[in-house]
Amino acid sequence: DAKTTQPPSMDCAEGRAANLPCNHSTISGNEYVYWYRQIHSQGPQYIIHGLKNNETNEMASLIITEDRKSSTLILPHATLRDTAVYYCIVRAKAAGNKLTFGGGTRVLVKP
Amino acid sequence: GAVVSQHPSWVICKSGTSVKIECRSLDFQATTMFWYRQFPKQSLMLMATSNEGSKATYEQGVEKDKFLINHASLTLSTLTVTSAHPEDSSFYICSAMDSPTDTQYFGPGTRLTVL
Repeated sequence: DAKTTQPPSMDCAEGRAANLPCNHSTISGNEYVYWYRQIHSQGPQYIIHGLKNNETNEMASLIITEDRKSSTLILPHATLRDTAVYYCIVRAKAAGNKLTFGGGTRVLVKP
Repeated sequence: GAVVSQHPSWVICKSGTSVKIECRSLDFQATTMFWYRQFPKQSLMLMATSNEGSKATYEQGVEKDKFLINHASLTLSTLTVTSAHPEDSSFYICSAMDSPTDTQYFGPGTRLTVL
């Protein structure tokens, strides 16, 4: 799987949009971008995934650049409950659908 | 939808005993489930891939005789930590893959403490 690079931490203001960047410059054509988050002492929670088109669901939006070398997860209105570690993962079906977790971004939403 | 449960949520055992952890997909069938381990302040590490009706595939460095995995049905996989030692104390997390989308959904985790 292509490796990803995320900032180790970032602070966000409650009620504002949180934009979480992820670089995946070695991504190949059949690899998906997945986002999960892990709140302290819980299992990871699926947020969203995409291949090349931008995606939106009830939790977040995923913006993937045209060259697919980077993406941004957008939490439209951050709340205190969004404080978590956010993982950007690139996954290939050919690799047995394994997910390789990196360090993620520790997001702290402040009042 | 896409709920995965684990049981127990926490367990404390004595060194040398065996502990079984169950992972269930509650509202979907999962041909493939995964087991991860997470030590404090570290990221999740994949231990093994479990396919229903076949032997599990273990990641490099994971002892298959110590971590026994059984995936007997499309909704249940079990991880047994045999002859547990204090260094096996960790947060064990399973995931189940929803076939139509190939998305993994994770359980809440099981915290194992070996005394």
